Amino acid sequence: GAVVSQHPSRVICKSGTSVKIECRSLDFQATTMFWYRQFPKQSLMLMATSNEGSKATYEQGVEKDKFLINHASLTLSTLTVTSAHPEDSSFYICSALLRVLNTEAFFGQGTRLTVV
Amino acid sequence: DAKTTQPPSMDCAEGRAANLPCNHSTISGNEYVYWYRQIHSQGPQYIIHGLKNNETNEMASLIITEDRKSSTLILPHATLRDTAVYYCIVRDNSNSGYALNFGKGTSLLVTP
Repeated sequence: GAVVSQHPSRVICKSGTSVKIECRSLDFQATTMFWYRQFPKQSLMLMATSNEGSKATYEQGVEKDKFLINHASLTLSTLTVTSAHPEDSSFYICSALLRVLNTEAFFGQGTRLTVV
Repeated sequence: DAKTTQPPSMDCAEGRAANLPCNHSTISGNEYVYWYRQIHSQGPQYIIHGLKNNETNEMASLIITEDRKSSTLILPHATLRDTAVYYCIVRDNSNSGYALNFGKGTSLLVTP
């Protein structure tokens, strides 16, 4: 299957700093990518839908000024957590749809963010 | 809200078939049934999907009832590495903007 690479896999940052997470589709072009967040023992929660060349669409309750999403190319979307706080500590996962065949979504390996 | 209902947990002995049920009584005609699984601290892994016909691949089989209101994922010979949370998801494939919405899934424990 197609490969989605997420980087970094684990990051620790101090409160008040910003962290950028990258999501790359390695062997296909993805016009649409999704960002999820998962707290311990909970399911994945959709944060936003990222479309190449346009603004992201955020789910209700997700602050767009805090979670900045950029999808500047067909193979790269980034999520920046700005002014991070301990409550932002979570597992962040990206997903990408194939450009032509959108019937399967492929997921990155996830990024474990810990804010201290 | 997720449109599927799954049992929260199941056990299966290694080597036996694991049958994971899913109810999706409000599924619409355009919606496919997808199955993903998530091993601890990893991203979800695609398993299989289908619309109305039964499907089989190297990982599993998907049995969808004729009225499409429920389905069963079958892992024919479960191994310890199949221990994971399994998610049944319905998705309309007519729009690429529609994300996969995850419910709580079924935590499958495969025991020796």
